[in-house]
Amino acid sequence: NAGVTQTPKFRVLKTGQSMTLLCAQDMNHEYMYWYRQDPGMGLRLIHYSVGEGTTAKGEVPDGYNVSRLKKQNFLLGLESAAPSQTSVYFCASRRSGGIYEQYFGPGTRLTVT
Amino acid sequence: TQLLEQSPQFLSIQEGENLTVYCNSSSVFSSLQWYRQEPGEGPVLLVTVVTGGEVKKLKRLTFQFGDARKDSSLHITAAQPGDTGLYLCAGGNAGNMLTFGGGTRLMVKP
Repeated sequence: NAGVTQTPKFRVLKTGQSMTLLCAQDMNHEYMYWYRQDPGMGLRLIHYSVGEGTTAKGEVPDGYNVSRLKKQNFLLGLESAAPSQTSVYFCASRRSGGIYEQYFGPGTRLTVT
Repeated sequence: TQLLEQSPQFLSIQEGENLTVYCNSSSVFSSLQWYRQEPGEGPVLLVTVVTGGEVKKLKRLTFQFGDARKDSSLHITAAQPGDTGLYLCAGGNAGNMLTFGGGTRLMVKP
């Protein structure tokens, strides 16, 4: 049982380049989330999904797009990277309904130069 | 926008000392979770509290949810080096999202 995995672990981009971060979970969870973590700011929600084919905006969605074509995968895209998007990105998933634990992946450290 | 403020931001103590971390908001939350994060890893859930005034204990860690469900505290007794990490509180309401505090970075020196 791998839990939540993220690909890649590290990436360096130049301003204006694009990339996609992949999140996969093997727990059959309905809900999936993308967060960014910056020093002193905890975790801020970028986008989330409550099921296959659905997505919704979180607190800081600008500059990012997401897709949930399969239940187990949640993709985060940066179309034109900016230095302000330098951060550590975490994916999380949880069961639907109630108050359930979010399970986090190990993170992707992204640097935009 | 609901905000959660954690204090202190940083805490460096000696092994064996006690400490308390606070998580405060002007908003009411239906639940409050505490996570711990170690370097290079994602956060891991420690506890969930849902009732105002609720106290939960996890070995040397004691968690309390304020009576008005606007604040929470985490108390560690006799801290050990293995307690070192980033502690995050997260408030939940009806819906599917959590609001995270800024975190408290704890270092316990042997």
